[in-house]
Amino acid sequence: AQSVTQLGSHVSVSEGALVLLRCNYSSSVPPYLFWYVQYPNQGLQLLLKYTSAATLVKGINGFEAEFKKSETSFHLTKPSAHMSDAAEYFCAVSDPYSGGGADGLTFGKGTHLIIQP
Amino acid sequence: NAGVTQTPKFRVLKTGQSMTLLCAQDMNHEYMYWYRQDPGMGLRLIHYSVGEGTTAKGEVPDGYNVSRLKKQNFLLGLESAAPSQTSVYFCASSPDRVSNQPQHFGDGTRLSIL
Repeated sequence: AQSVTQLGSHVSVSEGALVLLRCNYSSSVPPYLFWYVQYPNQGLQLLLKYTSAATLVKGINGFEAEFKKSETSFHLTKPSAHMSDAAEYFCAVSDPYSGGGADGLTFGKGTHLIIQP
Repeated sequence: NAGVTQTPKFRVLKTGQSMTLLCAQDMNHEYMYWYRQDPGMGLRLIHYSVGEGTTAKGEVPDGYNVSRLKKQNFLLGLESAAPSQTSVYFCASSPDRVSNQPQHFGDGTRLSIL
């Protein structure tokens, strides 16, 4: 079974500072990994995904994430935070060889990003 | 280009009442999913469908039923609502079984059971 752990239910950074949201996964096979963002009262929007190509993945809105197999991590970063980045962020994992069992994403519990002016 | 549309957006029910949540997608996607989102829990898969006429259980299926009579629609039913089913429900779709395809989400249905 696969699982996702997001360290820190709330992360607060100053505007202009580095954003680092942590995600660790557990999977018996190399997984596909995703980061989604959720703004208040909205659905989830895909930020970026890792699908076994380049380990450094660039996404929308200046975000990027690096897949580190040895650390089973897929942390999300952004060099300079903007006020508009305040939202809930979810890391999710998918088993590329899933078949017969539950077919869907396994989500972490989310990290609420707070941007201080 | 609507993507994934959920109706209704809000609903308040009394314990024991029944209702159906509708999800419609206009992207011709084969796969559709229902998740529930609870504070501090992330999203958990309720049921999913791999094509018209098929359904399967996810992580938390108890108390819910689903149907996929048409490819574009995926219905989630609560036969006898319970307060524990108070949640935000999200529908999602994806084009095929290849797991690297991202899922497209609707804006959610906020359901309160009194």
